[in-house]
Amino acid sequence: QVQLQESGPGLVKPSGTLSLTCAVSGGSISSSNWWSWVRQPPGKGLEWIGEIYHSGSTNYNPSLKSRVTISVDKSKNQFSLKLRSVTAADTAVYYCARDLLVGATTRDAFDIWGQGTMVTVSS
Amino acid sequence: EIVLTQSPATLSLSPGERATLSCRASQSVSSYLAWYQQKPGQAPRLLIYDASNRATGIPARFSGSGSGTDFTLTISSLEPEDFAVYYCQQRSNWPPEITFGPGTKVDIK
Repeated sequence: QVQLQESGPGLVKPSGTLSLTCAVSGGSISSSNWWSWVRQPPGKGLEWIGEIYHSGSTNYNPSLKSRVTISVDKSKNQFSLKLRSVTAADTAVYYCARDLLVGATTRDAFDIWGQGTMVTVSS
Repeated sequence: EIVLTQSPATLSLSPGERATLSCRASQSVSSYLAWYQQKPGQAPRLLIYDASNRATGIPARFSGSGSGTDFTLTISSLEPEDFAVYYCQQRSNWPPEITFGPGTKVDIK
């Protein structure tokens, strides 16, 4: 049973860099899944941030692309998010999630999610 | 960018009633649409993928339908644990982007 666990600082200063890691347990990050970050501001909806494949290929939300880097560490079975130049608008619960595979085909839906981690941007 | 619109914003129903939630895409997404349920303080839970396929472990009272731009999530008979917020989600291939709808809250009447 694959599980995801986010970790990282809960408080980041404005103009700083938000850094989070998602540890994958019960399975390999080198499987054929894509791995994503999704965030949710307090009381609001879900926003996709970006995704990574174990090869290092990435796709990003165009609205965040200039500030986001997602990377993978296969040796640690984890992937990470860096969001630069943060403001209060980046305050949110950040989730990592796995893309569903049926057979060998991605279904463009997230079947496994981490519990989420709250990040507040404040001085 | 493909924009997803969900209606209604809030649906007030009683246990045992049928819930019908709508998701409309600004352009065709074929059948590549998913539905999620989210309860307060919890991560979203995948209910439906490819518009009509139930995810593993999802009860049969949840069903999805539609293709192109108009999709529906139906809960045939609401159980107490079904009162939650429901989101639809799609993926476009170019540019590669995933978007969510704004959500429909199903609350107890």
